[in-house]
Order: sequence, then structure tokens, then C-alpha cells
Amino acid sequence: DAGVIQSPRHEVTEMGQEVTLRCKPISGHDYLFWYRQTMMRGLELLIYFNNNVPIDDSGMPEDRFSAKMPNASFSTLKIQPSEPRDSAVYFCASSSWTGEDEQFFGPGTRLTVL
Amino acid sequence: KQEVTQIPAALSVPEGENLVLNCSFTDSAIYNLQWFRQDPGKGLTSLLLIQSSQREQTSGRLNASLDKSSGRSTLYIAASQPGDSATYLCASGSGNTGKLIFGQGTTLQVKP
Repeated sequence: DAGVIQSPRHEVTEMGQEVTLRCKPISGHDYLFWYRQTMMRGLELLIYFNNNVPIDDSGMPEDRFSAKMPNASFSTLKIQPSEPRDSAVYFCASSSWTGEDEQFFGPGTRLTVL
Repeated sequence: KQEVTQIPAALSVPEGENLVLNCSFTDSAIYNLQWFRQDPGKGLTSLLLIQSSQREQTSGRLNASLDKSSGRSTLYIAASQPGDSATYLCASGSGNTGKLIFGQGTTLQVKP
């Protein structure tokens, strides 16, 4: 398996623009997680899905952030409009059918909002 | 609310030393404890996962222990090598949802 795949790896955009980050989880994994990593706040869970259904979005910072999982092999995290304080590395992770299993992380998307 | 703390924030050791990284958590009702490694500019690599019913896990030169009653986990690295240089993160899993709370990490430098 290729592991968790994220695209793009780097994104530079201007304030006010829409940003869409993409994630393909490991095949057969039922859980998908979106995290954000910054120097100040470390790694924070934004939202997670179980069987394509959002379970907990309490970590989503504002209404400007939204996430979808239209099928088992694809998820998006959208920021609209983007702001400089959204600059961070965004990670996607997946795990198998129970919460007891390891989470496997993608390589991340480094977002810079100018 | 669960809080996870890692001390020290940074550590520098000569090659060959055995070392211990510490992780503490405030809520002992964890589901599991996971240790990750992160290289600069890279994603996280899972090293060890300890279930709440377990006391330790081993993989090669790595050994992780878990003491729920004291709210502590340690990652022991034997015979450290320069290739071990990275940031090590611990994360506690709450409930059976897989939701992880991360510590801030310990950045390890192993000098040749």
C-alpha cells in the first residue's frame, strides 16, 4: 500500500483565496483524521470521520474551515477565505476499524498564506 | 481535558548512549498511548502503540512503557545512533474513537 497520500505537498496562496487540501487514506481504513501543526500550538486534531461520516469537528477553528469525505478513498479540507494565521502544516491520518489501532500519517501539506 | 506534556523539549547526547524520553498525561483514563517520530519537514512515523491494558511494547532498540496510575509513559532508546536524531512525539488516545492528544515533542540530537 502507498500509505496515506496528500496533495498538494506545498501550497502558497494569498489572503482571501480558497484553499483545498486533499487526502487519500490507506485502503480499508475506516477512520480519517485531519490535523494541523504549528510551532505555537503543536499538533491539533481538527476533525475526524468514521465510515465517511464526520464524528467530531470540535477542533475546526472557524466556519471558514470545512471538511468532507464523499467516499472511503477521498477527503478534502477547505479553507475559505484563507488568512495568514492559517499558515501551518496540515496532516491527514487514517486508522483501521477500531480506535485501538495505530494512526498512519500522510506527508502533510505545508500551507503558506501571504 | 487531557493534557500531554513531554520533558525535556530538547536533548543532545553522544552516539552510543542509552536515553529515556518522558511523556506525562493528566487523565489516566486513556485508551492507548502512541509514540511517533517526526523528521524535519516530514510527516509522522508511528513507532510504538501501547494499549491501556499493556505495560510496555518493544521494537528493536526501542522500548515504550506505560504507567496509567502515575500518568506517565517513557520511550527508551538503546545504543543511540545519529540516525535517531528527530523529534519524538507521544499522543494519548481517549475513548475508542482514536482521537489523539499530542505532546509538544522532544527534539533529539545524537552526535557522532
